[in-house]
Amino acid sequence: DVKVTQSSRYLVKRTGEKVFLECVQDMDHENMFWYRQDPGLGLRLIYFSYDVKMKEKGDIPEGYSVSREKKERFSLILESASTNQTSMYLCASSLVSDFYEQYFGPGTRLTVT
Amino acid sequence: SQQGEEDPQALSIQEGENATMNCSYKTSINNLQWYRQNSGRGLVHLILIRSNEREKHSGRLRVTLDTSKKSSSLLITASRAADTASYFCATDAGPGGGADGLTFGKGTHLIIQP
Repeated sequence: DVKVTQSSRYLVKRTGEKVFLECVQDMDHENMFWYRQDPGLGLRLIYFSYDVKMKEKGDIPEGYSVSREKKERFSLILESASTNQTSMYLCASSLVSDFYEQYFGPGTRLTVT
Repeated sequence: SQQGEEDPQALSIQEGENATMNCSYKTSINNLQWYRQNSGRGLVHLILIRSNEREKHSGRLRVTLDTSKKSSSLLITASRAADTASYFCATDAGPGGGADGLTFGKGTHLIIQP
């Protein structure tokens, strides 16, 4: 059974802290993605990666960075957390194919106080 | 900019009735996908329809695609309480197709009343 796991379901951090969100997939997928989900705004793409050490900016990369040192792991980094980064963060992965069906992790609900 | 827009934003029906959700998008696509999200959880892929397909079925789900109108609909027949969730359409309209990630709509929140 395919699986995408995220390091935390709930996380509370203080403004200015450095925050790491980890995502691991066990399906040997090439592509990995980070989205944030906010009420009324839907899902928005932050960053994606199509190979180890490769990264591409999505629609809203400001304030975030990513790291992909291994194929199965894709980390989202908030260098200095701010309250407007309070959100649900969703990681996904997909195969390189014609269809790019995405498999999602359970999400991390991050609160920055 | 938001590619897919679902309509309605919220839908409440009785168990056993059919539920129809619509999605409109703005640019040409390779395929369109529908996902479900149970409260506070990740998204689960339901069904994919290619741009050269007009209708597709999977169990109680029926998806239609009209590329001339840039719209799709998702029909859930004989709804059950477990169908209560948010439903999102997603398109791959980026320059790299789906490799650039999908563009999701804001979702339709479906409530099935027992």
